[in-house]
Amino acid sequence: KNEVEQSPQNLTAQEGEFITINCSYSVGISALHWLQQHPGGGIVSLFMLSSGKKKHGRLIATINIQEKHSSLHITASHPRDSAVYICAVPYTGNQFYFGTGTSLTVIP
Amino acid sequence: DTGVSQNPRHKITKRGQNVTFRCDPISEHNRLYWYRQTLGQGPEFLTYFQNEAQLEKSRLLSDRFSAERPKGSFSTLEIQRTEQGDSAMYLCASSPRGGSSYEQYFGPGTRLTVT
Repeated sequence: KNEVEQSPQNLTAQEGEFITINCSYSVGISALHWLQQHPGGGIVSLFMLSSGKKKHGRLIATINIQEKHSSLHITASHPRDSAVYICAVPYTGNQFYFGTGTSLTVIP
Repeated sequence: DTGVSQNPRHKITKRGQNVTFRCDPISEHNRLYWYRQTLGQGPEFLTYFQNEAQLEKSRLLSDRFSAERPKGSFSTLEIQRTEQGDSAMYLCASSPRGGSSYEQYFGPGTRLTVT
């Protein structure tokens, strides 16, 4: 069993749809990252959160520490949002468990 | 551009050859990490430097892999006698001095293909 599980693995949406990606983890954490990886490889950190909710533009991330669950929402999705979204949790000071990612395709 | 940079972006090599990748972290960041990512998987931790000291190494880092950060700035990752299983994206990340190590800034990665 992976320490970080994401769902769905693949997601196709029409432009404008509201999107939710889920992340569940089994280890105790103090913070969780959501990362975005575009085709070609580079990873961008979207959010680091330890409680509640954070919002950046059309992206919203929530976390429930008690339930060990986090969600990433994209409102009014756009084709440029097409990417792989990865959930990551630290398990030592310097190492992370990474989810396998959710591949999102937004169709115009 | 003040982000993490990696070179080359793509490398194709024949099995058995040695390859070396370079990572330039954000200039004021003293912590540097290497990860490997195979197709369809999340990144896997390889090693971690604080300044020039290599403080952590994953079991994934076999004897054929070596990483250095001689002056505490850029880092190199060398793979000797490459195997087809080494084909992956190699990612570098850095963290600022005094900040949380959870706050990592990733580079664009070097995609290695071993034929």
